Amino acid sequence: GAGVSQSPSNKVTEKGKDVELRCDPISGHTALYWYRQSLGQGLEFLIYFQGNSAPDKSGLPSDRFSAERTGGSVSTLTIQRTQQEDSAVYLCASSLAGTGGPKDEQYFGPGTRLTVT
Amino acid sequence: RKEVEQDPGPFNVPEGATVAFNCTYSNSASQSFFWYRQDCRKEPKLLMSVYSSGNEDGRFTAQLNRASQYISLLIRDSKLSDSATYLCVVNPTGNTGKLIFGQGTTLQVKP
Repeated sequence: GAGVSQSPSNKVTEKGKDVELRCDPISGHTALYWYRQSLGQGLEFLIYFQGNSAPDKSGLPSDRFSAERTGGSVSTLTIQRTQQEDSAVYLCASSLAGTGGPKDEQYFGPGTRLTVT
Repeated sequence: RKEVEQDPGPFNVPEGATVAFNCTYSNSASQSFFWYRQDCRKEPKLLMSVYSSGNEDGRFTAQLNRASQYISLLIRDSKLSDSATYLCVVNPTGNTGKLIFGQGTTLQVKP
């Protein structure tokens, strides 16, 4: 079946502009996650949606970052007034239950490579 | 101190070698543990979950030591196709999907 998809695959933007990154999770998965990976670094948790619960926003680095998930499916990560340090690969993942347990595998999309010039 | 720490390597080994990676975590209440594999410029994929009793999947063996708060991954009979970055991953809460990823350990298997 279809995996997690993300768009665009690459985005180059000028410093100060806003960007929107999109994630389509696997159908039926209740949990959706956003991470970012900077060059040579591990994945950094950003935000997590689970069903109708309030999202866990504890990883968002500043108030320039926000995300929403409409209808329990598609999610959009928005970065306002982009800075050069925002340059990274933004990865979306989804899982069936959102428990983080051994059986609740997170499936990742291919990522969006964001470059802020 | 980082929540999950790994030696970034790289580990350069010949085909057929046995190689082991360790990872330490800081939160003693952590509940679930995983190894993910990430190929160059690709997304991470689950390699295996790590259970307290230790678990094996073919050439791969994962161990968890809760008392010392470390996780290990052993790869036997290394193949060229094992070349990748191996990410140690911890769920610190046990009731949400929030995962903490280590920086990753890079393995290069040489012919």
